[in-house]
Amino acid sequence: SAVISQKPSRDICQRGTSLTIQCQVDSQVTMMFWYRQQPGQSLTLIATANQGSEATYESGFVIDKFPISRPNLTFSTLTVSNMSPEDSSIYLCSVGSGTNEQFFGPGTRLTVL
Amino acid sequence: QKEVEQDPGPLSVPEGAIVSLNCTYSNSAFQYFMWYRQYSRKGPELLMYTYSSGNKEDGRFTAQVDKSSKYISLFIRDSQPSDSATYLCAMWAGNMLTFGGGTRLMVKP
Repeated sequence: SAVISQKPSRDICQRGTSLTIQCQVDSQVTMMFWYRQQPGQSLTLIATANQGSEATYESGFVIDKFPISRPNLTFSTLTVSNMSPEDSSIYLCSVGSGTNEQFFGPGTRLTVL
Repeated sequence: QKEVEQDPGPLSVPEGAIVSLNCTYSNSAFQYFMWYRQYSRKGPELLMYTYSSGNKEDGRFTAQVDKSSKYISLFIRDSQPSDSATYLCAMWAGNMLTFGGGTRLMVKP
């Protein structure tokens, strides 16, 4: 399986600011995803990061709030914009294989004050 | 009703016990079934991946899928304190992975 790293691992941010989370994979992958895991909850898919085109967002998530970049097959960023305390969560990137398995990064723990 | 239901626990067992973790689902389109283990403050780790109904074994872990009942299970034999984690079931249909809420397991020495 691919080795996935995320930066930062954690951050504490002020309300109204933005944070960009980076996801780096050690090999080229076709499919990359961004998830949110709120405290004590399961994972919710935010969007699929498409290389060379706009991300595909799930219901309840919009590009203005969560802009995503995917400049190549090993890297993606997720920005959490105009943050509020409700955005406090763990943000996870994952990569997919041809057999629909997904492998996750270690996550970014975000606290918004 | 959620598409994937999973008892949140916590489930507390003594070391050496056989653990049974379960999920039910409502969407007949789910074709691929996975179990993830998530330790505190870590990302989910893929444990088992199955496609068809039946059993799949990997060491102390056995994944079981019953598509007719829309029911999947993960069995852990000879449970160890290091198995203490949250276990998430996940199911794939089309282009999306849907997760259960996770079951927190505690294995006591």
